[in-house]
Amino acid sequence: DAGVTQSPTHLIKTRGQQVTLRCSPKSGHDTVSWYQQALGQGPQFIFQYYEEEERQRGNFPDRFSGHQFPNYSSELNVNALLLGDSALYLCATRRGGGYEQYFGPGTRLTVT
Amino acid sequence: GESVGLHLPTLSVQEGDNSIINCAYSNSASDYFIWYKQESGKGPQFIIDIRSNMDKRQGQRVTVLLNKTVKHLSLQIAATQPGDSAVYFCAEKGRGFGNEKLTFGTGTRLTIIP
Repeated sequence: DAGVTQSPTHLIKTRGQQVTLRCSPKSGHDTVSWYQQALGQGPQFIFQYYEEEERQRGNFPDRFSGHQFPNYSSELNVNALLLGDSALYLCATRRGGGYEQYFGPGTRLTVT
Repeated sequence: GESVGLHLPTLSVQEGDNSIINCAYSNSASDYFIWYKQESGKGPQFIIDIRSNMDKRQGQRVTVLLNKTVKHLSLQIAATQPGDSAVYFCAEKGRGFGNEKLTFGTGTRLTIIP
């Protein structure tokens, strides 16, 4: 049983560019949340997707957007990248009705 | 506002000893608490969780205690092993259907001394 997978593993972008990160949920999971983890800090909630809609959002600007596909996989898009967007981006998935959220390995984004 | 904080940023424990990692939370409306373990270069790994209607829950070598009176959460790891070295986060989830947000603290780095 595959766990949560994310791609790419690492990414380097320049300020002002746009980036798309991808997440495939654990088998049987239909809810995807995205988190940003700056170095030395705990993850910060960005938003959550369920049934292809954004259901809840944290304190992140509109530059951060997402999408969920019919197969429950999800994308995180960040526009107009800033140096401060450099972080580990994590997705967490859970099955409908469950509480446990399982995290993927993350995508390390570096903005130069 | 809600926050989850940790009492100690670092903790060193002799291999084989028990370790206790503490966490304070401020949102009395939270109904679900989780401990995660994060090793270098990896995503957080679920360890154990507890609902707000419980005060203790045990897993394999781990026990989570919840004291709602003082808004305190702890993780006890028995007979620590080198593989337990990692950063440990507590996280809380607010009450209500559709409230998915997990609020994390900054983490405690646990180092196991051989």
